[in-house]
Amino acid sequence: AQRVTQPEKLLSVFKGAPVELKCNYSYSGSPELFWYVQYSRQRLQLLLRHISRESIKGFTADLNKGETSFHLKKPFAQEEDSAMYYCALSDSNAGGTSYGKLTFGQGTILTVHP
Amino acid sequence: GAGVSQSPSNKVTEKGKDVELRCDPISGHTALYWYRQRLGQGLEFLIYFQGNSAPDKSGLPSDRFSAERTGESVSTLTIQRTQQEDSAVYLCASSPQGLAGNTIYFGEGSWLTVV
Repeated sequence: AQRVTQPEKLLSVFKGAPVELKCNYSYSGSPELFWYVQYSRQRLQLLLRHISRESIKGFTADLNKGETSFHLKKPFAQEEDSAMYYCALSDSNAGGTSYGKLTFGQGTILTVHP
Repeated sequence: GAGVSQSPSNKVTEKGKDVELRCDPISGHTALYWYRQRLGQGLEFLIYFQGNSAPDKSGLPSDRFSAERTGESVSTLTIQRTQQEDSAVYLCASSPQGLAGNTIYFGEGSWLTVV
C-alpha cells in the first residue's frame, strides 16, 4: 500500500533562513508526487508537482527514488510562507480502482518568524 | 461554479443524529474525493469516486459512514449515529480525470461539530 510520511509535525525558522520540509514515501510503482499548501483561512491548494520540475514561490522539490524522498526546499524563507504543507502521492497504477487517488502525509506546520 | 462547493459550511449536531454533507465538484471533473481533517491532524482519506468505476471506499472508518455520487456530479457523505470523534472538517475535492498527475481542487470544507 502506498504511504507518505512527513516526520516533522512542526517546523519553525526565522525569516531569511533556509527551510526543508521532509517527505518520504512508500510505493511499488513509479510515483507521482506533489506538495499541497494550506494558508490560514484558505483552501488547500497545489504548490508544485515533481513531474513539472518547477519552482513555485521559491520552493523546489526533487524526487529521489533511491532515498524514496521528495523534500520541499526554499533557500530563504519568508513570513508569508507560514502555512500547513502536505506531501502527497498519486496512485499511478492504471486500471486499478484507486488510479489517480492521492494519499497525503500528516502535514507539517511551517512557521516563519520575523 | 468556479470551484468545488461544499455545504453546509458549518454543522453542529447532537450525538446520535445523522448528518449529510454535500459536495458539488467542478463541472466536468470525473474524479471526486472525500477527506477528513481532525483538529491538529493531517488529511485522512475517506472515499474516492472515478467516473463509473466502483468507488474506493477503503478509507471509510466505520459502517456509519457512507457516500454516494450521482453520475459525475453531486456527492453526499452521510454519517449515521454521529459520535464526538466524528467532529472534524470534511473536505471534498475533484479532478478532471482522476489520472495520476492531475491537480485536485479542494472545497472549503464542512466543519462538523458533534456535541
